[in-house]
Amino acid sequence: NAGVTQTPKFQVLKTGQSMTLQCAQDMNHEYMSWYRQDPGMGLRLIHYSVGAGITDQGEVPNGYNVSRSTTEDFPLRLLSAAPSQTSVYFCASSYSFPGPGGTREQYFGPGTRLTVT
Amino acid sequence: RKEVEQDPGPFNVPEGATVAFNCTYSNSASQSFFWYRQDCRKEPKLLMSVYSSGNEDGRFTAQLNRASQYISLLIRDSKLSDSATYLCVATGNNDMRFGAGTRLTVKP
Repeated sequence: NAGVTQTPKFQVLKTGQSMTLQCAQDMNHEYMSWYRQDPGMGLRLIHYSVGAGITDQGEVPNGYNVSRSTTEDFPLRLLSAAPSQTSVYFCASSYSFPGPGGTREQYFGPGTRLTVT
Repeated sequence: RKEVEQDPGPFNVPEGATVAFNCTYSNSASQSFFWYRQDCRKEPKLLMSVYSSGNEDGRFTAQLNRASQYISLLIRDSKLSDSATYLCVATGNNDMRFGAGTRLTVKP
């Protein structure tokens, strides 16, 4: 059972380049999300999706786009990379939004370490 | 100000010690709360949910105080394998807000 997979594991970009971070899950989860993790800041939500065809902005969406054409895949696009986007990016999924009353654990992928020079 | 605040630590404790972590959240509409554990250079993993009445899972006890908007995690009889960063989480409208984490090192 693969769970949540992310590619690539490491990436170096030059300022202004664009790229797509891939995320896929094989658990038939409706809720998927992207976070970035920076030292001292914790995990911050970039974008999330409550199902195929539905996406919404999180806490720090600027400079990123997402789409959700299938239940399984939730790619994150960096439109024009900037050094401030140097971070570790985590994709996560859960059966549904971890709302009241349930565990509804979020499963995280292994992360992508991105450096923008 | 972050929505979820934690003492960053680090907490350095000997094996067998009891250690407590605290967390405060600012969104009074938050409905669900969790503790996640993150090992160095790894992804976060769910440690436990936090229920209003408090809950225990083996050596771990979580408490919630809605009036004070405060969550705690108590680890008893610390093991070397408990060394990690512990992330406090509170749900927002349709998202989850993470604290920056508290780092724990358990020493022999």
